[in-house]
Order: sequence, then structure tokens, then C-alpha cells
Amino acid sequence: QSVLTQPPSASGTPGQRVTISCSGSSSNIGSNTVNWYQQLPGTAPKLLIYNHNQRPSGVPDRFSGSKSGTSASLAISGLQSEDEADYYCAAWDDSLNTYVFGTGTKVTVL
Amino acid sequence: EVQLVESGGGLVEPGGSLRLSCAASGFTFSSYSISWVRQAPGKGLEWVSSITASSSYIYYADSVKGRFTISRDNAKNSLYLQMNSLRAEDTAVYYCARDTRYGSGSGSDYWGQGTLVTVSS
Repeated sequence: QSVLTQPPSASGTPGQRVTISCSGSSSNIGSNTVNWYQQLPGTAPKLLIYNHNQRPSGVPDRFSGSKSGTSASLAISGLQSEDEADYYCAAWDDSLNTYVFGTGTKVTVL
Repeated sequence: EVQLVESGGGLVEPGGSLRLSCAASGFTFSSYSISWVRQAPGKGLEWVSSITASSSYIYYADSVKGRFTISRDNAKNSLYLQMNSLRAEDTAVYYCARDTRYGSGSGSDYWGQGTLVTVSS
């Protein structure tokens, strides 16, 4: 049972902006940076956001992260068909002394 | 090019043991923390364990603590996961992943292709 909660699904039409939420607590999101991953079907996860909204090389700026208190969000602007994937938030948890993943959100491009 | 290649997965009976390996190349292995992350069939991601660059700090998920042991050999650019007392719920694809330059818990920027571990009689 994950300590980071995400909605199971989200959807949008091409070109739209989609936002995925991630709810945690003071021991994880509230005190540490939040990472976001994209996982396309049958592939390994890919890091999208790290270190206070930094994007690894090659990740388009359509992806952006934000945080407020014990919640975080991933925004995908200009939604494209290739963005159809599972998305996970993650953060270090100071109380558990472990890295925790969110429950995951499946994004569908209508 | 950064590459991480896992091996050692397979079918094992409940209570059995298995040792996973992860061969790294294309970067200075001894400078990075490395993690194991698993994904049960049709399920989400679950962090398993992390080890810092010089093995000074090691972390485990509660679900594997006392049964799994992470280790690394910087001279061989290799990461290992010794898995003992395996249970059906350990069935998953196991990924090794390089953590960013900010260390353990900072996110994993490179991932292997994964190796499947199936625990079944």
C-alpha cells in the first residue's frame, strides 16, 4: 500500500493540458523533492522530473512539476498521442527511510 | 552511452534463493548510488533497495528487509541483489537504476531492461 496517492486515470485530447496529482505527507513530499516517471507499455520507467522541477536531457518542456505543501502535480501541456502511458510520482520518506512511489496514473489520449 | 544490464532472473520455488546482477557501463559507476526497483505483473512500481556509491549507506523496503541483501563491486562495475526466503509476492520484473548525481532518493535517471523473477512451485 503506497503512501503517495494518485488518481488511477486521466485523459485529454491532443493539444490539451493534463494535470496529475500526487498526495503525500510531511515526511515525504512535504520535506523532499518529488520525482516523476513515465512508463510506456512494456518498457522501463523514464525519469521526467527531478531536483525541484529539473528535466533530464531529452525530456520536452511540455512536462513540468510543481509542489505545494504535501501535494505535488505533473502537468503535461500540448498533449500528444505518444504521451499515453503510466505516470508515477516518487519521493524519499524521512519517517520510513525509504523511497516511495505513487500508486500510478494511466493517461489516455482521446 | 549509459547501460545497465540485469541478469539472474528465473523461476524459483517459494523459500528459495536467487542472486540478481546488474552490469553497468558508460559512466563512472563508483560515483553513483544505485537502486533496485520491482514491478509485479500488472502492478505499479515498488522501490526495493538502494546503495550509495561507496556502500556506506544501504536502504531496504520493509517488504524485503532481512531477506534481501544489496551489494556492489565498484572494481567490476556491478550491482547485486541476493534474494533469500523468496515468496510468491516477490514475483516481479526487477530493474536496476542509476540514481541522479544528487544521491539516493533523488530519482533514477537510467534504468536497465529488467529481469523477471517468478516465485512458484
